Amino acid sequence: SQQGEEDPQALSIQEGENATMNCSYKTSINNLQWYRQNSGRGLVHLILIRSNEREKHSGRLRVTLDTSKKSSSLLITASRAADTASYFCATAPLSGAGSYQLTFGKGTKLSVIP
Amino acid sequence: KAGVTQTPRYLIKTRGQQVTLSCSPISGHRSVSWYQQTPGQGLQFLFEYFSETQRNKGNFPGRFSGRQFSNSRSEMNVSTLELGDSALYLCASSLLAGEETQYFGPGTRLLVL
Repeated sequence: SQQGEEDPQALSIQEGENATMNCSYKTSINNLQWYRQNSGRGLVHLILIRSNEREKHSGRLRVTLDTSKKSSSLLITASRAADTASYFCATAPLSGAGSYQLTFGKGTKLSVIP
Repeated sequence: KAGVTQTPRYLIKTRGQQVTLSCSPISGHRSVSWYQQTPGQGLQFLFEYFSETQRNKGNFPGRFSGRQFSNSRSEMNVSTLELGDSALYLCASSLLAGEETQYFGPGTRLLVL
């Protein structure tokens, strides 16, 4: 079953603009991760934020986490055509019990127009 | 270091057949997870293997099975294929069980006719 829901489902912006994607989830989590997928290929891990963190940066990426609202946002600054991809949030359960299972949202499809 | 590799990359089968997909994790990684991705259901967890043992299984029928070998390579098998099994099957590896960051392969695209 889907844990996260990304919003918007699709986003189209001009190169150089910022892109913001949101993710909401339902249950308590250990961490939340964002992945990128290019055109139906494998997923690439972008950034992980733990449940006790509120904000994290990695290059042009900024992720925020609000556990009280069970939501996260991914900001990509100064977007490039190469950022065109689908972006997924994935949550890891609070009690992993020694095993690990990521639950993904349905993704935001980002198109960056040159 | 080579990434996660999956074979075959594309596969066409007919209903009722069975299929075996293979995944070779990053060298040294011992945990392998499988996910199914469809337009309707999105990405869904199938199972996780560590040290040749299945540690976790998603909500899929028994037609979906897997195994892991002593060299950490993993296979998943789907028997009695249905049209709804058409999907991109993704394999991910991590160094140990319970590792937070998983490294995904390019996937195997299965089409069931």
